Amino acid sequence: GESVGLHLPTLSVQEGDNSIINCAYSNSASDYFIWYKQESGKGPQFIIDIRSNMDKRQGQRVTVLLNKTVKHLSLQIAATQPGDSAVYFCAEIDNFGNEKLTFGTGTRLTIIP
Amino acid sequence: EAGVTQSPTHLIKTRGQQATLRCSPISGHTSVYWYQQALGLGLQFLLWYDEGEERNRGNFPPRFSGRQFPNYSSELNVNALELEDSALYLCASSPEVSSGANVLTFGAGSRLTVL
Repeated sequence: GESVGLHLPTLSVQEGDNSIINCAYSNSASDYFIWYKQESGKGPQFIIDIRSNMDKRQGQRVTVLLNKTVKHLSLQIAATQPGDSAVYFCAEIDNFGNEKLTFGTGTRLTIIP
Repeated sequence: EAGVTQSPTHLIKTRGQQATLRCSPISGHTSVYWYQQALGLGLQFLLWYDEGEERNRGNFPPRFSGRQFPNYSSELNVNALELEDSALYLCASSPEVSSGANVLTFGAGSRLTVL
Protein backbone atom coordinates (compact mmCIF):
# COMPACT_ATOMS: atom_id res chain seq x y z
CA GLY A 1 0.00 0.00 0.00
CA GLU A 2 0.97 3.64 -0.13
CA SER A 3 3.19 4.85 2.65
CA VAL A 4 5.32 7.70 3.78
CA GLY A 5 8.43 6.63 5.62
CA LEU A 6 11.71 7.89 6.95
CA HIS A 7 15.17 6.52 6.27
CA LEU A 8 16.53 6.94 9.82
CA PRO A 9 14.64 6.74 13.11
CA THR A 10 17.26 8.74 15.09
CA LEU A 11 19.76 11.45 14.30
CA SER A 12 22.29 13.15 16.59
CA VAL A 13 23.86 16.42 15.53
CA GLN A 14 26.36 18.71 17.20
CA GLU A 15 24.94 22.09 18.18
CA GLY A 16 25.68 24.61 15.47
CA ASP A 17 25.99 22.02 12.74
CA ASN A 18 23.45 21.54 9.96
CA SER A 19 21.10 18.57 10.02
CA ILE A 20 19.30 16.76 7.22
CA ILE A 21 16.25 14.60 7.83
CA ASN A 22 15.09 12.42 4.98
CA CYS A 23 11.72 11.07 3.99
CA ALA A 24 10.67 8.68 1.24
CA TYR A 25 7.16 8.46 -0.12
CA SER A 26 5.61 5.94 -2.46
CA ASN A 27 2.43 7.65 -3.64
CA SER A 28 3.27 9.25 -6.97
CA ALA A 29 -0.03 11.15 -6.77
CA SER A 30 1.10 13.07 -3.70
CA ASP A 31 0.94 16.75 -4.43
CA TYR A 32 1.47 18.43 -1.11
CA PHE A 33 4.02 17.76 1.61
CA ILE A 34 4.44 19.12 5.11
CA TRP A 35 7.11 18.81 7.76
CA TYR A 36 6.01 18.81 11.39
CA LYS A 37 8.04 19.05 14.58
CA GLN A 38 6.83 17.35 17.74
CA GLU A 39 8.44 18.21 21.04
CA SER A 40 7.96 16.04 24.08
CA GLY A 41 4.48 16.38 25.53
CA LYS A 42 3.22 18.53 22.69
CA GLY A 43 1.30 18.07 19.49
CA PRO A 44 3.02 18.34 16.11
CA GLN A 45 3.80 21.87 14.97
CA PHE A 46 3.93 22.98 11.34
CA ILE A 47 7.44 23.79 10.11
CA ILE A 48 7.28 24.15 6.37
CA ASP A 49 5.35 22.87 3.38
CA ILE A 50 5.96 22.37 -0.32
CA ARG A 51 3.76 21.72 -3.31
CA SER A 52 4.65 19.11 -5.90
CA ASN A 53 5.26 21.78 -8.55
CA MET A 54 8.25 23.02 -6.55
CA ASP A 55 11.58 21.36 -5.76
CA LYS A 56 12.81 23.67 -3.04
CA ARG A 57 11.37 25.97 -0.45
CA GLN A 58 13.15 27.95 2.23
CA GLY A 59 12.03 29.19 5.59
CA GLN A 60 13.83 30.55 8.59
CA ARG A 61 16.81 28.20 9.11
CA VAL A 62 14.90 25.41 7.35
CA THR A 63 14.86 24.27 3.76
CA VAL A 64 12.72 21.53 2.23
CA LEU A 65 13.86 19.77 -0.91
CA LEU A 66 11.56 17.64 -3.04
CA ASN A 67 12.81 15.15 -5.61
CA LYS A 68 9.78 13.76 -7.39
CA THR A 69 11.87 11.51 -9.60
CA VAL A 70 12.94 9.35 -6.68
CA LYS A 71 10.01 10.30 -4.44
CA HIS A 72 12.24 11.77 -1.77
CA LEU A 73 11.77 14.69 0.58
CA SER A 74 14.32 16.22 2.94
CA LEU A 75 14.33 18.81 5.68
CA GLN A 76 17.52 20.74 6.23
CA ILE A 77 17.97 22.65 9.48
CA ALA A 78 20.82 25.13 9.54
CA ALA A 79 22.90 25.97 12.60
CA THR A 80 21.01 23.62 14.90
CA GLN A 81 20.09 24.76 18.37
CA PRO A 82 19.09 22.78 21.50
CA GLY A 83 15.48 23.76 20.85
CA ASP A 84 15.57 21.82 17.60
CA SER A 85 15.63 18.54 19.54
CA ALA A 86 12.33 16.88 18.70
CA VAL A 87 10.71 14.24 16.52
CA TYR A 88 10.24 15.36 12.95
CA PHE A 89 7.49 13.96 10.73
CA CYS A 90 6.93 14.34 7.05
CA ALA A 91 3.35 14.12 5.86
CA GLU A 92 1.68 14.10 2.49
CA ILE A 93 -1.71 14.67 0.92
CA ASP A 94 -2.46 13.07 -2.42
CA ASN A 95 -5.09 15.65 -3.30
CA PHE A 96 -6.74 18.53 -1.52
CA GLY A 97 -10.18 17.01 -1.74
CA ASN A 98 -9.03 14.04 0.29
CA GLU A 99 -7.78 16.23 3.14
CA LYS A 100 -6.15 13.25 4.81
CA LEU A 101 -2.55 13.68 5.85
CA THR A 102 -0.47 10.50 5.79
CA PHE A 103 2.39 10.69 8.27
CA GLY A 104 5.68 8.87 8.38
CA THR A 105 6.98 7.20 11.54
CA GLY A 106 9.20 10.16 12.42
CA THR A 107 12.88 10.86 13.08
CA ARG A 108 14.10 11.81 16.52
CA LEU A 109 16.66 14.60 16.25
CA THR A 110 18.95 15.10 19.23
CA ILE A 111 21.18 18.16 19.41
CA ILE A 112 24.43 17.51 21.27
CA PRO A 113 25.68 20.57 23.21
CA GLU B 1 -5.49 33.56 19.77
CA ALA B 2 -6.21 30.29 21.55
CA GLY B 3 -4.93 27.19 19.83
CA VAL B 4 -6.57 23.81 19.54
CA THR B 5 -7.55 22.64 23.00
CA GLN B 6 -8.14 19.06 24.03
CA SER B 7 -9.53 17.46 27.15
CA PRO B 8 -8.86 15.55 29.21
CA THR B 9 -5.09 15.64 29.16
CA HIS B 10 -4.91 12.13 30.56
CA LEU B 11 -7.53 9.43 30.85
CA ILE B 12 -7.26 5.98 32.38
CA LYS B 13 -9.85 3.33 31.57
CA THR B 14 -10.16 -0.42 31.80
CA ARG B 15 -10.83 -2.88 29.03
CA GLY B 16 -14.42 -2.83 27.81
CA GLN B 17 -15.14 0.67 29.01
CA GLN B 18 -15.88 3.68 26.83
CA ALA B 19 -13.74 6.79 26.47
CA THR B 20 -14.81 10.24 25.30
CA LEU B 21 -12.26 12.80 24.21
CA ARG B 22 -13.04 16.41 23.38
CA CYS B 23 -11.54 19.00 21.07
CA SER B 24 -12.11 22.70 20.51
CA PRO B 25 -10.70 23.99 17.22
CA ILE B 26 -9.12 27.35 16.58
CA SER B 27 -11.76 30.04 16.25
CA GLY B 28 -12.85 30.27 12.63
CA HIS B 29 -11.69 26.77 11.72
CA THR B 30 -14.45 24.52 10.49
CA SER B 31 -12.56 21.27 9.96
CA VAL B 32 -11.51 18.96 12.77
CA TYR B 33 -9.29 15.91 12.42
CA TRP B 34 -8.50 13.10 14.83
CA TYR B 35 -5.27 11.11 14.79
CA GLN B 36 -4.02 8.25 16.94
CA GLN B 37 -0.35 8.18 17.93
CA ALA B 38 0.69 4.96 19.60
CA LEU B 39 3.90 5.07 21.63
CA GLY B 40 6.95 5.44 19.40
CA LEU B 41 4.89 5.38 16.23
CA GLY B 42 3.63 7.87 13.69
CA LEU B 43 0.22 9.44 13.48
CA GLN B 44 -2.59 7.33 12.12
CA PHE B 45 -5.55 9.17 10.61
CA LEU B 46 -8.83 8.44 12.38
CA LEU B 47 -11.56 10.87 11.34
CA TRP B 48 -12.17 14.15 9.58
CA TYR B 49 -15.20 16.35 10.27
CA ASP B 50 -16.18 19.46 8.39
CA GLU B 51 -19.32 21.54 8.87
CA GLY B 52 -20.76 18.95 11.20
CA GLU B 53 -20.37 16.00 8.85
CA GLU B 54 -17.92 13.11 8.70
CA ARG B 55 -15.90 13.60 5.51
CA ASN B 56 -13.34 10.84 5.72
CA ARG B 57 -12.44 7.93 7.94
CA GLY B 58 -9.25 5.97 8.49
CA ASN B 59 -8.81 2.22 8.82
CA PHE B 60 -10.24 1.89 12.30
CA PRO B 61 -13.10 -0.31 13.53
CA PRO B 62 -16.60 1.15 14.02
CA ARG B 63 -16.12 1.35 17.76
CA PHE B 64 -14.14 4.50 17.00
CA SER B 65 -16.70 7.20 16.30
CA GLY B 66 -17.19 10.87 16.79
CA ARG B 67 -19.17 13.92 15.96
CA GLN B 68 -18.81 17.62 15.35
CA PHE B 69 -21.08 20.12 17.02
CA PRO B 70 -22.57 23.32 15.57
CA ASN B 71 -19.82 25.33 17.25
CA TYR B 72 -17.29 23.11 15.40
CA SER B 73 -15.99 21.44 18.53
CA SER B 74 -15.72 17.68 18.32
CA GLU B 75 -15.87 14.51 20.36
CA LEU B 76 -14.10 11.23 19.75
CA ASN B 77 -15.71 8.18 21.31
CA VAL B 78 -14.00 4.83 21.67
CA ASN B 79 -16.26 1.99 22.75
CA ALA B 80 -15.33 -1.44 24.09
CA LEU B 81 -11.80 -0.31 24.87
CA GLU B 82 -8.94 -2.68 24.15
CA LEU B 83 -5.41 -2.57 25.51
CA GLU B 84 -4.01 -1.55 22.12
CA ASP B 85 -6.19 1.57 22.14
CA SER B 86 -3.69 3.06 24.59
CA ALA B 87 -2.22 5.99 22.72
CA LEU B 88 -2.01 9.75 22.39
CA TYR B 89 -5.07 11.03 20.55
CA LEU B 90 -4.39 14.22 18.68
CA CYS B 91 -6.97 16.65 17.40
CA ALA B 92 -6.19 19.17 14.69
CA SER B 93 -8.17 21.89 12.97
CA SER B 94 -7.91 23.77 9.70
CA PRO B 95 -9.81 26.51 7.90
CA GLU B 96 -12.55 25.65 5.44
CA VAL B 97 -11.54 23.06 2.89
CA SER B 98 -12.18 25.25 -0.10
CA SER B 99 -9.53 27.72 1.01
CA GLY B 100 -6.81 25.24 0.12
CA ALA B 101 -5.08 26.22 3.35
CA ASN B 102 -5.18 22.73 4.69
CA VAL B 103 -2.24 22.96 7.02
CA LEU B 104 -3.37 21.40 10.23
CA THR B 105 -2.84 22.96 13.65
CA PHE B 106 -2.62 20.32 16.35
CA GLY B 107 -3.58 20.30 19.97
CA ALA B 108 -1.37 18.82 22.67
CA GLY B 109 -3.34 15.59 22.71
CA SER B 110 -5.20 13.40 25.15
CA ARG B 111 -3.29 10.42 26.45
CA LEU B 112 -5.55 7.40 26.89
CA THR B 113 -4.31 4.48 28.93
CA VAL B 114 -6.30 1.25 28.90
CA LEU B 115 -5.58 -1.17 31.72
